[in-house]
Amino acid sequence: EPEVTQTPSHQVTQMGQEVILRCVPISNHLYFYWYRQILGQKVEFLVSFYNNEISEKSEIFDDQFSVERPDGSNFTLKIRSTKLEDSAMYFCASSEARGGTGELFFGEGSRLTVL
Amino acid sequence: AQSVTQLGSHVSVSEGALVLLRCNYSSSVPPYLFWYVQYPNQGLQLLLKYTSAATLVKGINGFEAEFKKSETSFHLTKPSAHMSDAAEYFCAVSPTNTGNQFYFGTGTSLTVIP
Repeated sequence: EPEVTQTPSHQVTQMGQEVILRCVPISNHLYFYWYRQILGQKVEFLVSFYNNEISEKSEIFDDQFSVERPDGSNFTLKIRSTKLEDSAMYFCASSEARGGTGELFFGEGSRLTVL
Repeated sequence: AQSVTQLGSHVSVSEGALVLLRCNYSSSVPPYLFWYVQYPNQGLQLLLKYTSAATLVKGINGFEAEFKKSETSFHLTKPSAHMSDAAEYFCAVSPTNTGNQFYFGTGTSLTVIP
């Protein structure tokens, strides 16, 4: 069964360092997303991506964050200068169709710990 | 604005007992509604979804949920809990008319007692 894969599963970094989280969405999907979950809190929307550009982003997704689809398979989330409060589980998701009409398929998550 | 409230961050049931996980939503327009399950060290997996067809939705693993517009609820039920149902359950809402965001609740951790 096709699945969304994420790497790394866990990354520990120092505050101020750049981090890149990688995702390989399901191959025929057109919409890509990043969500995050701070421990004990809600799963929060960060950004959605379609047709090689950001289609929506939340208030969380500030200038420190960027997304890219550098080739036909990878979808990356970059945090330019990490802060302690960026520590969270980051989930990548993809879907065939837009919004609620299409099921989101999630990866297993990348846990980011900022020290 | 869209939001989802899950009452009860932790629910414990005995094996074989009824499972009831509560979800209430607020939305200015009729939304799409979802339940996702997360097993330990795994991603979020879709259990079921409501997209304005039948109000009683059947999902995988014997789960079902009923959309009640008057109560703005979408509670998840299963008649008989199994040990393998122990997991984190998330309710989510997606507005039908704007964007493609999903808004998630804080999750309910289900423990099944043998």
